[in-house]
Amino acid sequence: DAGVIQSPRHEVTEMGQEVTLRCKPISGHNSLFWYRQTMMRGLELLIYFNNNVPIDDSGMPEDRFSAKMPNASFSTLKIQPSEPRDSAVYFCASSSGGQGVGPLHFGNGTRLTVT
Amino acid sequence: KQEVTQIPAALSVPEGENLVLNCSFTDSAIYNLQWFRQDPGKGLTSLLLIQSSQREQTSGRLNASLDKSSGRSTLYIAASQPGDSATYLCAVYQGAQKLVFGQGTRLTINP
Repeated sequence: DAGVIQSPRHEVTEMGQEVTLRCKPISGHNSLFWYRQTMMRGLELLIYFNNNVPIDDSGMPEDRFSAKMPNASFSTLKIQPSEPRDSAVYFCASSSGGQGVGPLHFGNGTRLTVT
Repeated sequence: KQEVTQIPAALSVPEGENLVLNCSFTDSAIYNLQWFRQDPGKGLTSLLLIQSSQREQTSGRLNASLDKSSGRSTLYIAASQPGDSATYLCAVYQGAQKLVFGQGTRLTINP
């Protein structure tokens, strides 16, 4: 079991550029989550997929953020255009059994810095 | 709106001590509660998952309890070791399918 795999580990970009974060969930898990972690706000849920379908995107801060899950083994989180206040660590997590049933497994995160 | 609070925010104890980390939540309508550990620069590692129908879970030196009616959970760490130093977060699954996290307790175990 390779765990949840995220890429890149670090991303430094200039304001206005497009950023794409990638995630490969654990094989067999049917739920996928994108979280953002900052010192000020802690961990915040951005969006949640179940069986590749977005279920709740109410945490997505604004239209600059979008997420897709084209198949069960891949998801992307895109920010376009990026802004300095988007700087944070972005985590992907997956679980099995639907909401609130199985434990959540996290990737190591992508540290995004927007200058 | 569910709010999760962890006290204390930071804790430093000598090696070998038993310790308790506290977590409280405002809405008792939860599916389960999870305790995580986060090491610097790393993701979160799930330690224990307590279903809403359970009162406690144990794994090695860790024991987590859940009291839904009072909106509280505790994580008990026995015979603490320097390797236990990390940030510990609790999180609850509320009815809206969201896992709501506390701000965490930063634990330091001094050799």
